Amino acid sequence: AQSVTQLGSHVSVSEGALVLLRCNYSSSVPPYLFWYVQYPNQGLQLLLKYTSAATLVKGINGFEAEFKKSETSFHLTKPSAHMSDAAEYFCAANAGGTSYGKLTFGQGTILTVHP
Amino acid sequence: NAGVTQTPKFQVLKTGQSMTLQCAQDMNHEYMSWYRQDPGMGLRLIHYSVGAGITDQGEVPNGYNVSRSTTEDFPLRLLSAAPSQTSVYFCASSTTRRGEQYFGPGTRLTVT
Repeated sequence: AQSVTQLGSHVSVSEGALVLLRCNYSSSVPPYLFWYVQYPNQGLQLLLKYTSAATLVKGINGFEAEFKKSETSFHLTKPSAHMSDAAEYFCAANAGGTSYGKLTFGQGTILTVHP
Repeated sequence: NAGVTQTPKFQVLKTGQSMTLQCAQDMNHEYMSWYRQDPGMGLRLIHYSVGAGITDQGEVPNGYNVSRSTTEDFPLRLLSAAPSQTSVYFCASSTTRRGEQYFGPGTRLTVT
């Protein structure tokens, strides 16, 4: 069975500071990994994905994430936070296998950006 | 393309009532899913479909039914609404078994 854990339900940063949102996964097979962002009262939008190619993945809006198999981690970073980055972020894993690849989500991290 | 659309956006039901949440996609995706989102719990899979006529249960299927008669549509039926089904419901679709999923805008359901 696969599981996804996001460390920290709330993260607060100042505008211009580094953003680091943590995600660890547990899976018996190498998973595909995703980061989604959800703005208030909206659906989820894909930020980036890891599908077993390059371990450093670049996404939209200046975000990137690095897959570290030894640490079973897929942390999301952005060098300089912007006020518009304030949202809830979800890490998700899809271990696949022979059946339908079910997405398992972490609990979510709410990012607050202070001026 | 409209992508994934959901109706209604908001709904209030009384305990015991039934209703259908509609989901449609115009991207010709084979795979479609229903999730519910509750605070602090992320999204949990209710039911999914790997093609027209093929559905299966996810993590939290009790109290919900689905069918898939066409590629485009994947409605979710609440048989007898309960307050525990108060949640935000998202429909998603994908073109591959393990690819990224595209989400609709959600339906906010309150059961009193």
